[in-house]
Amino acid sequence: GDSVTQMEGPVTLSEEAFLTINCTYTATGYPSLFWYVQYPGEGLQLLLKATKADDKGSNKGFEATYRKETTSFHLEKGSVQVSDSAVYFCALSGRGLTGGGNKLTFGTGTQLKVEL
Amino acid sequence: GAVVSQHPSWVICKSGTSVKIECRSLDFQATTMFWYRQFPKQSLMLMATSNEGSKATYEQGVEKDKFLINHASLTLSTLTVTSAHPEDSSFYICSARTSADRGGELFFGEGSRLTVL
Repeated sequence: GDSVTQMEGPVTLSEEAFLTINCTYTATGYPSLFWYVQYPGEGLQLLLKATKADDKGSNKGFEATYRKETTSFHLEKGSVQVSDSAVYFCALSGRGLTGGGNKLTFGTGTQLKVEL
Repeated sequence: GAVVSQHPSWVICKSGTSVKIECRSLDFQATTMFWYRQFPKQSLMLMATSNEGSKATYEQGVEKDKFLINHASLTLSTLTVTSAHPEDSSFYICSARTSADRGGELFFGEGSRLTVL
């Protein structure tokens, strides 16, 4: 079945450092890929998504590129801020364009802590 | 963006009692809602898909008689954990899907933490 593997946390960085959170997946067909973020005390929010190979999703300075050859969707940000401290979840949806009509398979989440 | 609210955000109950968790879409109608369960340091596991006006679809291994789901209206789905036991202690999260004309995207509630003593 489908699965998502992401790096274990917590990841602790200094403000303005470069961030990479690795995510790899196993799925049949051509899934859509997502990154969700959960800030303390809040629900998961969609951060960015990509629906086909070589697509790059981006939002709030975060980027992730759908790499079919390496089955990866690594999250990157060039300069993190304290306000980026949260838990980040990588997820996939089988063959759905938005992920809304299909089940989402999540990774375990990676906690990011950004310090001054 | 759309808002999904869960209530209660946390609940403590005695073993053997039943607990109801509500999931509401506050500013949109959701024909489909999803219930997830999350254990510490583990991923969200889909429990069931809740469809308005029909029976929920449960994932393999999830006891439908244990986790009762009711989607009585387009803005409300409830999850009832019946005869709760300590192993049911977990973080329960719901999500709701907007209609196709609003992008068909998923929005998540803030989660409900259940502790069974």
